[in-house]
Amino acid sequence: DAMVIQNPRYQVTQFGKPVTLSCSQTLNHNVMYWYQQKSSQAPKLLFHYYDKDFNNEADTPDNFQSRRPNTSFCFLDIRSPGLGDAAMYLCATTSGLQNTEAFFGQGTRLTVV
Amino acid sequence: AQSVSQHNHHVILSEAASLELGCNYSYGGTVNLFWYVQYPGQHLQLLLKYFSGDPLVKGIKGFEAEFIKSKFSFNLRKPSVQWSDTAEYFCAVIHSYGQNFVFGPGTRLSVLP
Repeated sequence: DAMVIQNPRYQVTQFGKPVTLSCSQTLNHNVMYWYQQKSSQAPKLLFHYYDKDFNNEADTPDNFQSRRPNTSFCFLDIRSPGLGDAAMYLCATTSGLQNTEAFFGQGTRLTVV
Repeated sequence: AQSVSQHNHHVILSEAASLELGCNYSYGGTVNLFWYVQYPGQHLQLLLKYFSGDPLVKGIKGFEAEFIKSKFSFNLRKPSVQWSDTAEYFCAVIHSYGQNFVFGPGTRLSVLP
């Protein structure tokens, strides 16, 4: 059974039109991450939540925002998508406890037209 | 901040050759270490992980990795590669109590038949 679920799997949005990507988890993990992965590159950490505490990476553009209304859900909001934001967006969770591993969703592939 | 480096951007081998991919991390505390593989067009798969204990860990598909604490290294090895091992390989690190799950830049492995 899928433990980290991302919706949708594929998202097409227009240049400049706000878009929201969704992630949910059934693991009751404390930490949820959002990564951006472009073709042939490593996943780049955008930000993460430890419970309700938001931790933004220094080089994450302001165009990217996130919300975590409860333990199970986390959203990635792209306020004004540009062509350069087309990528695979990965959600992951870790327990935040000792000896934790990350569990990844299948990703959402975002296309900007 | 912790960081992860991988020695090679692109490795090209013939089938049956031995493989070693280097990974070094910068964090001085206790860490958990991982290797992921990403086949073309597919999502990340966990190859193996190290939490504690025996520094030589065995993973799926005949891969193993050795944790050398004094060298801050976690190199991935396989005695005999196959064409189907062609993929991108990512080393990843998290502080054992931490929140920041960080990937290395990746090494692309091409295995020639």
